[in-house]
Amino acid sequence: EAGVTQFPSHSVIEKGQTVTLRCDPISGHDNLYWYRRVMGKEIKFLLHFVKESKQDESGMPNNRFLAERTGGTYSTLKVQPAELEDSGVYFCASSHQAEAFFGQGTRLTVV
Amino acid sequence: GENVEQHPSTLSVQEGDSAVIKCTYSDSASNYFPWYKQELGKRPQLIIDIRSNVGEKKDQRIAVTLNKTAKHFSLHITETQPEDSAVYFCAASIRSNDYKLSFGAGTTVTVRA
Repeated sequence: EAGVTQFPSHSVIEKGQTVTLRCDPISGHDNLYWYRRVMGKEIKFLLHFVKESKQDESGMPNNRFLAERTGGTYSTLKVQPAELEDSGVYFCASSHQAEAFFGQGTRLTVV
Repeated sequence: GENVEQHPSTLSVQEGDSAVIKCTYSDSASNYFPWYKQELGKRPQLIIDIRSNVGEKKDQRIAVTLNKTAKHFSLHITETQPEDSAVYFCAASIRSNDYKLSFGAGTTVTVRA
């Protein structure tokens, strides 16, 4: 069974540019989550999809972040325009019930 | 929302000794408590979990205890080995909230050979 995959694994962009992160969940998992870990701090929740619907986006930092999950399959997280404080590791996870399976994360560096 | 605190932030132990990581949570409705291990450069992976209807669960060298009254839970690793070196995250979630996870800040465990 394929796990959760994320693209790219690393991204270095300049402040003001746009970056799009992608997550492919495990097939059949309706729940898809985005999390972010900034500079050794806790893994913080960003948002939660159930299929294609946003169940909870209370963790999204501001309107520079846009997440989509068209067709309830893969999801994208776009940051536009990126700021220095957006740097961190962005994790995607998917679940069917309780156990969440994580991707390897995308390390985003904004310079 | 749920607030999970985790201590210590770093832990260094001699190979063969035990390691204990403690977490507290704020939402009494939380009923699922997983622990994730993240090795360097790899994804976080579930190593053990406990639900609120039990007080302790063990799997070989790792065990988790839960005190619902005090709202804290702990991870115990016995007979530590170098491959136990990693960052460990505790988390709490609520089944009725589709198990959305709230994480602690993580504990970096280093096992000295």
